[in-house]
Amino acid sequence: EPEVTQTPSHQVTQMGQEVILRCVPISNHLYFYWYRQILGQKVEFLVSFYNNEISEKSEIFDDQFSVERPDGSNFTLKIRSTKLEDSAMYFCASSGIDRGTDEQYFGPGTRLTVT
Amino acid sequence: DQQVKQNSPSLSVQEGRISILNCDYTNSMFDYFLWYKKYPAEGPTFLISISSIKDKNEDGRFTVFLNKSAKHLSLHIVPSQPGDSAVYFCAAKYTGNQFYFGTGTSLTVIP
Repeated sequence: EPEVTQTPSHQVTQMGQEVILRCVPISNHLYFYWYRQILGQKVEFLVSFYNNEISEKSEIFDDQFSVERPDGSNFTLKIRSTKLEDSAMYFCASSGIDRGTDEQYFGPGTRLTVT
Repeated sequence: DQQVKQNSPSLSVQEGRISILNCDYTNSMFDYFLWYKKYPAEGPTFLISISSIKDKNEDGRFTVFLNKSAKHLSLHIVPSQPGDSAVYFCAAKYTGNQFYFGTGTSLTVIP
């Protein structure tokens, strides 16, 4: 069964450093997403991406965040200058053709720890 | 702004009995609702969904009920099994692809 994969599983970085979180969505999916979950809190939407551009973003997704699909398989989230409050689980997700109803398939997440 | 709320952080149920997980929402524009299950160290896994034009959707042991007037949905699992022990998130959307998630309910099914 196809699945979304994410690397690394755990990333530790110092405050102010740049990090890139990587995701390989399901191959025939067209929509890609990043979510985060701060420990003990709800899963929060960050951004959705379609046709090589951002289609939606939340207020969390400020100028320090960017996304890219550098090739036909990878989807990355870059945090330019990490802050302590960026520590969270980051989940990548993808969905298929029907934008309105297709469920999103999630990867296992990357735990980001900012020290 | 907590548009989707799961007021019970945890629930314990005996194996074989019914588990009922509840979710409330505030935005009347939501038109699609989903339930996800999450095990530790894994991403959320889609479980079941319902469109706002329906009030019930059933898939095996899982049934989701939607009460639009009360802005409430619930997930029924019957019979509950120990493997159902996980955190359950409800999510909702109204336009585009942004899902709004609740804070989750941790279900423990006791053998």
